[in-house]
Amino acid sequence: DVKVTQSSRYLVKRTGEKVFLECVQDMDHENMFWYRQDPGLGLRLIYFSYDVKMKEKGDIPEGYSVSREKKERFSLILESASTNQTSMYLCASSRRGQGTRGNQPQHFGDGTRLSIL
Amino acid sequence: GNSVTQMEGPVTLSEEAFLTINCTYTATGYPSLFWYVQYPGEGLQLLLKATKADDKGSNKGFEATYRKETTSFHLEKGSVQVSDSAVYFCALSSQGGSEKLVFGKGTKLTVNP
Repeated sequence: DVKVTQSSRYLVKRTGEKVFLECVQDMDHENMFWYRQDPGLGLRLIYFSYDVKMKEKGDIPEGYSVSREKKERFSLILESASTNQTSMYLCASSRRGQGTRGNQPQHFGDGTRLSIL
Repeated sequence: GNSVTQMEGPVTLSEEAFLTINCTYTATGYPSLFWYVQYPGEGLQLLLKATKADDKGSNKGFEATYRKETTSFHLEKGSVQVSDSAVYFCALSSQGGSEKLVFGKGTKLTVNP
C-alpha cells in the first residue's frame, strides 16, 4: 500500500513564525501536492510538484512556498505565519498519468492540523 | 474552468437505507472522475473512479456511473452501515496529464443505528 506520511498531526505556532510542514511518500510517485481543507470550502490546492525541484502554483499559493529536493519529500513553508493560515493541511502523491489522461488517483496523508496563535 | 458541484449536506440516514449523493461537473474534454471518502480524523481515501463515459466504478458496495450526457457521477449505495459515516468528496482530473484534481466541497454523511 502507498504510504504518505505527514510529520505532525497537530502543530501550534505563533504569528510571524516560519513554519515547515513535511511530507514523505514511499511509492516513488512523481507528483506531490499540498492542500488546505477548511469547513465549507472543501480542499484547495496550494502548490504541486511533478518532479524533483519542479513546482507549480495551485489556487491559493499566497503566503506559502514549497521545496522538493528529493523525490520522496515535499515540504510546505509558511514564510511568516498568520492567523488566517490556521487550517488542516493535507499532502498527497500520485503517479504520473499515462498519455494525456489525468487518470491517476491521489494518495493522501492523514493531515496536519495547524493552529496559528 | 473545471468545477465540481455536489449536494450539500449534512445527510442523515438510518442503517440499511439507500444512499445517493449527487455530483455534477463542468469540464472540457473527457475528465476522469473520482469519489474520495474521509473518515473522522483521517486523510482522504480513494473510494472509486471512472475514466471514460459509461464506466461504472464500484467499491465496498458503493457505485457511481460516468454519465457524459448529464455530466454527472452520482454516488449510490443500496444499504448503508454506521461505519459509512464520513465525508464524501467528488473530484475530477482533467485531460492534459497534470494530475491535478478539482474537488467538490464534500458531503457529510451520518448513519444512525
